Amino acid sequence: GENVEQHPSTLSVQEGDSAVIKCTYSDSASNYFPWYKQELGKRPQLIIDIRSNVGEKKDQRIAVTLNKTAKHFSLHITETQPEDSAVYFCPYNNNDMRFGAGTRLTVKP
Amino acid sequence: DVKVTQSSRYLVKRTGEKVFLECVQDMDHENMFWYRQDPGLGLRLIYFSYDVKMKEKGDIPEGYSVSREKKERFSLILESASTNQTSMYLCASKVAIQGTGELFFGEGSRLTVL
Repeated sequence: GENVEQHPSTLSVQEGDSAVIKCTYSDSASNYFPWYKQELGKRPQLIIDIRSNVGEKKDQRIAVTLNKTAKHFSLHITETQPEDSAVYFCPYNNNDMRFGAGTRLTVKP
Repeated sequence: DVKVTQSSRYLVKRTGEKVFLECVQDMDHENMFWYRQDPGLGLRLIYFSYDVKMKEKGDIPEGYSVSREKKERFSLILESASTNQTSMYLCASKVAIQGTGELFFGEGSRLTVL
């Protein structure tokens, strides 16, 4: 079945540094790759997504890149700020919307 | 804006009670989902529904059932609540385009079973 690995499980960076979270997937037919952010005490929300016909998409300080050959997509956050501290999720099954444990990002001021 | 509303933010129930968690969305979404979220375990899919009266098991359906009698409403039922079902429950919905589309979440229902 479809499977995605998300790394790292936890990430701690200094404010202003960059953060990268990576998801690998196994289903070659996957064509949509979203990232969700869940701040403490709040609901998860979509922050950025990319389709398989695009290699990179940027939205201010966040970007998602897709490497179809290696079957992975990554979330990049530049100039991190304390408000970026959250758990970030990529779904390992885009049809059934199944998620894993996510990545807990902590940005230290 | 899409709105996904969960009827109860906090519930306290006793072991053995039947519990209903209600979720309503106002954007005519075909697909609806129930997750539970526990510390360190992320979002685990309990059940989902592609359309009215349809339901599919997720990764952890044991001890739960669901009802989708109307398109906008998806109910999660705990037939006999147990303490290990103490958790945060999140409902979500999306359009029915397979493999794409934003998932919209409700605010969650925190259930405590004593």
